[in-house]
Amino acid sequence: EIVLTQSPGTLSLSPGDRATLSCRASQSVTTYFAWYQQKPGQAPRPLIYGISTRAPGIPDRFSGSGSGTDFTLTISRLEPDDFAVYYCQQYEYSPRTFGRGTTVEVK
Amino acid sequence: QVQLQESGPGVVKPSETLSLTCIVSGGSINAYKWNWIRQPPGKTLEWIGYVSSTWSTNYNPSLKSRITISMDTSRNSFSLELTSVTAADTAVYYCAREWSAFDFWGLGTMVTVSS
Repeated sequence: EIVLTQSPGTLSLSPGDRATLSCRASQSVTTYFAWYQQKPGQAPRPLIYGISTRAPGIPDRFSGSGSGTDFTLTISRLEPDDFAVYYCQQYEYSPRTFGRGTTVEVK
Repeated sequence: QVQLQESGPGVVKPSETLSLTCIVSGGSINAYKWNWIRQPPGKTLEWIGYVSSTWSTNYNPSLKSRITISMDTSRNSFSLELTSVTAADTAVYYCAREWSAFDFWGLGTMVTVSS
């Protein structure tokens, strides 16, 4: 099983700040890597798939990058709606696995 | 627009079987992989397994001995059965389509294991 380790656990930032979220995989992931946003009481919302492709309707302030075992989600300028929990996921291998999440909170 | 909706009992007794159904609307179930994912309160997401349009299944090894995922093309739906439940199975259960990652999700249904 591929273990995904997200860091930091919590990111305290202000609106307008740049957010950089990291996810490290225990084994190399070639292509099938995704990021999701989740707010309390809601289902996860897909943001990025295939490492760097934005899902439909996702604003361009969200970007994904990385290769091998190290992946990054960047939010260029935080808006009030962006404060939430973010999960990384690999769907290249079974079992599909998720990271433990990074909470982006208002500083 | 594809929509998914989970249904099932909110409470299941310990040692009994949890049964959930996901109805898919706005698209055919005869393509893609159809997944179940769960999230215990305050914890991260755990992938349970999927059934594909070719009727093949793939399960999380941690749950494999207790789960069955099946598809009903006449109802455009798929289902999850989880046997011998314990308190550790208490979670929000989601169904999701897998194509560009998990691109469409249901709203989720809370299942509590309690006597």
